[in-house]
Amino acid sequence: TQLLEQSPQFLSIQEGENLTVYCNSSSVFSSLQWYRQEPGEGPVLLVTVVTGGEVKKLKRLTFQFGDARKDSSLHITAAQPGDTGLYLCAGERNDYKLSFGAGTTVTVRA
Amino acid sequence: DTEVTQTPKHLVMGMTNKKSLKCEQHMGHRAMYWYKQKAKKPPELMFVYSYEKLSINESVPSRFSPECPNSSLLNLHLHALQPEDSALYLCASSHPGTNNNEQFFGPGTRLTVL
Repeated sequence: TQLLEQSPQFLSIQEGENLTVYCNSSSVFSSLQWYRQEPGEGPVLLVTVVTGGEVKKLKRLTFQFGDARKDSSLHITAAQPGDTGLYLCAGERNDYKLSFGAGTTVTVRA
Repeated sequence: DTEVTQTPKHLVMGMTNKKSLKCEQHMGHRAMYWYKQKAKKPPELMFVYSYEKLSINESVPSRFSPECPNSSLLNLHLHALQPEDSALYLCASSHPGTNNNEQFFGPGTRLTVL
């Protein structure tokens, strides 16, 4: 059973469009990380959100952490082909272990 | 140095072979991890070392044997693997005791078992 439900599983959009990926749980997390992974490579940490209600921006990427620290979203504005990849959310509940969502495969067509 | 390195990048082995995967980091992190990842799936935790001691073994078969020679190095020894063990093996590190468990991943070793 996945502790973090991530949706959608697949997303294919045209360059310039916006997209949102959701990560939901019934559990409270002390922090939540978002990673992007390209084929054949390891996940790259994009951001960590820690405080309920927190919003972080990374260029065209906006990350939100829910007030209750149970859910998070990633919004990409004006997506570019370089945004293509597998997006993973991962929540920390106790030391060392991260609970990963199933991942969202994003394809941005030129 | 802010990266985790892994060698080899690719490995093909037979079911009777013995091989080792290596991981190194110089960020002063004292927790290191091995994950297994199948295509289009999230990473699955295998082992965690904290301060060079094995702290978590996620019921991994004994044909996988981890080793942490020092705080910068992590090995995964492989013996008598099965074809279903073919996957991307990822190493990660983090700084335990901080407010959030930010894990930094290496590029992985693509393992194929014939």
